[in-house]
Amino acid sequence: QSALTQPRSVSGSPGQSVTISCTGTNSDVGGYKYVSWYQHHPGKAPKLMIYDVTKRPSGVPDRISGSKSGTTASLTISGLQAEDEADYYCCSYAGSLYVFGTGTKVTVL
Amino acid sequence: EVQLVQSGGGLVQPGGSLRLSCEASGFSVSGDYMSWVRQAPGKGLEWVSVIYSAGNTYHADSVEGRFTISWDTHKNMLFLQMNSLRVEDTAVYYCVRQLGFGGFDPWGQGTLVTVSS
Repeated sequence: QSALTQPRSVSGSPGQSVTISCTGTNSDVGGYKYVSWYQHHPGKAPKLMIYDVTKRPSGVPDRISGSKSGTTASLTISGLQAEDEADYYCCSYAGSLYVFGTGTKVTVL
Repeated sequence: EVQLVQSGGGLVQPGGSLRLSCEASGFSVSGDYMSWVRQAPGKGLEWVSVIYSAGNTYHADSVEGRFTISWDTHKNMLFLQMNSLRVEDTAVYYCVRQLGFGGFDPWGQGTLVTVSS
């Protein structure tokens, strides 16, 4: 159960787009259509942003999107806003088990 | 409203035991998949345990043989029994409801477990 690989940090100016990658293996990301993404502000519970690779829960704006190609999933935040500054984690089903990514800090410049 | 409210946690010595509780409202814990996720200080999120609606359970290698996940259908509560606790088990623990296999939502408020002598 090795953690999925994410970049340590990404940054962008307000209004720009940023993309976070999440690389796994054929035993997790590449093997299932069950990747999710979470926004985490310190001291608060994580918030689901994307599930089943591309689906947005009610209340998540459509400038947030998810995709997957092979063993790499991606989260794109368009029209970056100050409130988007947070830690982001991917998570994948891995056949009865689950594995999270290493986490990415998004900084709004 | 779907909600999870956690209780339990606290300070325990290495080798000790602790049970975390999570009370659900707005849905049945035994009718959905439920997990525990933790975050150690300064670290990322780590999946810990899952219980599926059929009652089968799975645990991360790091807690296998020491932690047990279960639910009480009458009380509509989820539990995590933690035995043989280690310093590295120190973390904020969250109970979560699953959207099938593809996502965790909602999350409980989190409870801090500190393992220290």
